Amino acid sequence: QVTLRESGPALVKPTQTLTLTCTFSGFSLSTSGMCVSWIRQPPGKALEWLARIDWDDDKYYSTSLKTRLTISKDTSKNQVVLTMTNMDPVDTATYYCARLSPVAGTAYMDVWGKGTTVTVSS
Amino acid sequence: SYELTQPPSVSVSPGQTASITCSGDKLGDKYACWYQQKPGQSPVLVIYQDSTRPSGIPERFSGSNSGNTATLTISGTQAVDEADYYCQAWDSSIVVFGGGTKLTVL
Repeated sequence: QVTLRESGPALVKPTQTLTLTCTFSGFSLSTSGMCVSWIRQPPGKALEWLARIDWDDDKYYSTSLKTRLTISKDTSKNQVVLTMTNMDPVDTATYYCARLSPVAGTAYMDVWGKGTTVTVSS
Repeated sequence: SYELTQPPSVSVSPGQTASITCSGDKLGDKYACWYQQKPGQSPVLVIYQDSTRPSGIPERFSGSNSGNTATLTISGTQAVDEADYYCQAWDSSIVVFGGGTKLTVL
């Protein structure tokens, strides 16, 4: 059974750096084609994709947020870490991680974590 | 940057067919997938690779993609299908989500 669980602070102050951890089980990020993505959702708003890390350590970021994001993985611990710098109240959201499974010509997010809510406030 | 456009809301009567569209430039040349999200829950994949249903998704969910529009169709819509639906595609190696459609079953 594949599961993912997000963890991190529930509250951060403006200008601080947010560090979120996605701990997963049931698959290996060493397996060719496997990837993990981070997605966020502000209250009452749409999903927004943030970043992705692949089995071969390739990394991809949202065009609008790439200067603030860093994604990394620890394969031995089955964890993916996302850092976001210079947090602002508009970054208040539920943050999800999801497994990206490859299929011919594409990939899809087939398993999602329950999400972790982050509030940015002084 | 690539954009996907969905209608903010769609209403359907129980037992009828609901169609939710997702528009993007030459979207038919890409693969689309769809996620269902109920209040307070994580998104759930309901269609991938344009028209493939994951295991456990009811047969009433189907998808198509051609030209500039992908469509999620729910046949015989049930009250339990009331949710937000998001389309998603790839722009090179970047994930793009649509703005979401709230499906109301009334």
